[in-house]
Amino acid sequence: QKEVEQNSGPLSVPEGAIASLNCTYSDRGSQSFFWYRQYSGKSPELIMSIYSNGDKEDGRFTAQLNKASQYVSLLIRDSQPSDSATYLCAVRGRGSTLGRLYFGRGTQLTVWP
Amino acid sequence: EAGVAQSPRYKIIEKRQSVAFWCNPISGHATLYWYQQILGQGPKLLIQFQNNGVVDDSQLPKDRFSAERLKGVDSTLKIQPAKLEDSAVYLCASSSIRGSETYNEQFFGPGTRLTVL
Repeated sequence: QKEVEQNSGPLSVPEGAIASLNCTYSDRGSQSFFWYRQYSGKSPELIMSIYSNGDKEDGRFTAQLNKASQYVSLLIRDSQPSDSATYLCAVRGRGSTLGRLYFGRGTQLTVWP
Repeated sequence: EAGVAQSPRYKIIEKRQSVAFWCNPISGHATLYWYQQILGQGPKLLIQFQNNGVVDDSQLPKDRFSAERLKGVDSTLKIQPAKLEDSAVYLCASSSIRGSETYNEQFFGPGTRLTVL
């Protein structure tokens, strides 16, 4: 069983700060990684995908991947109250489970004004 | 582009009753997934279809859950009979086939919240 671990939080940051969300995974051969945002009572919304080591930036979001350390993170710059949500890390399976996403339990982020 | 559609949005049933959920994927998306999300956890894949064929149903409790995608477009997930522990949100997702499956992103519908009493 592949595992994806996230700090459950809650993580609380002030408006304008950088929020840092972390995720580790157990399958060293994993190739595809995703961050989803889930507002309370809503479904997961894809915000970032990353496949290569290093950083990938999209607006205020930066995903970081380190395959050697089996670690993926999401940085949210200039955090806004509207960023308050649960952030789910997902890792795609391999081989016979190539289509399957393995999710962590999520980190709850609160951005206070 | 319309997103993934699901119905109903909410369902309350008694244990041992049956229930069915419907999903229509994003137009042109050949791959369809059903996930179960229990409160406080991340989604867990139940079944994956590519066109109208099953690719992965290894985590589907086949004694009570069934799913079909007869024409390769919309899909139905059924639970019969339901148990208390089936209370969860059932999420449908879809992805396109372009190049390597490794890079295909999955997009979720709004989900169906099931409560089993």
